[in-house]
Amino acid sequence: GAVVSQHPSWVICKSGTSVKIECRSLDFQATTMFWYRQFPKQSLMLMATSNEGSKATYEQGVEKDKFLINHASLTLSTLTVTSAHPEDSSFYICSAWGSAGKETQYFGPGTRLLVL
Amino acid sequence: AQTVTQSQPEMSVQEAETVTLSCTYDTSESDYYLFWYKQPPSRQMILVIRQEAYKQQNATENRFSVNFQKAAKSFSLKISDSQLGDAAMYFCAYRKEYGNKLVFGAGTILRVKS
Repeated sequence: GAVVSQHPSWVICKSGTSVKIECRSLDFQATTMFWYRQFPKQSLMLMATSNEGSKATYEQGVEKDKFLINHASLTLSTLTVTSAHPEDSSFYICSAWGSAGKETQYFGPGTRLLVL
Repeated sequence: AQTVTQSQPEMSVQEAETVTLSCTYDTSESDYYLFWYKQPPSRQMILVIRQEAYKQQNATENRFSVNFQKAAKSFSLKISDSQLGDAAMYFCAYRKEYGNKLVFGAGTILRVKS
């Protein structure tokens, strides 16, 4: 139980295009989803927290117009990187918190984004 | 604000040996949760072990155990009988009792030698 999926796992795009990453909780309802960014050999950096049906809360320094987050249902959150640039290339991880129990976040497998 | 410190960027252990990863944290809360997560080369975050601060007994999960010292704000992870599959980056994390946001340490890369 407590499985979180992310799609796509890999994406390469041209500079200036937008990319959407989906995060789904497969067997539980996620009242809250988190989006992280991770650089190689570094820790996870929280970008934003999204609660179902409400606007996301962004961490300081994260551009909300650049990283659009939608949490329209209890099982789906999306992160859209708008007008992507090479510096947006990174590993993006989502996690979900909800009815799975164990009082912790469950993580998706991550999405590698490469912007050319 | 709460902080989590992992002072060992890298550790090595011989297969079948025991290794301890260190973690200290800073909080003014009395009740909270502490976690160790493993991130193997696949980069999938895996929960290894969880400790509730109100519990005096140290958590154990098979070969993984913790040494939780609340007064010292220390939460180390001991891996016994290390296996090649234990090679990964390990993150210590803190969560308030009433909250769902995790505060992560910088991570420790564990290498297992055969």
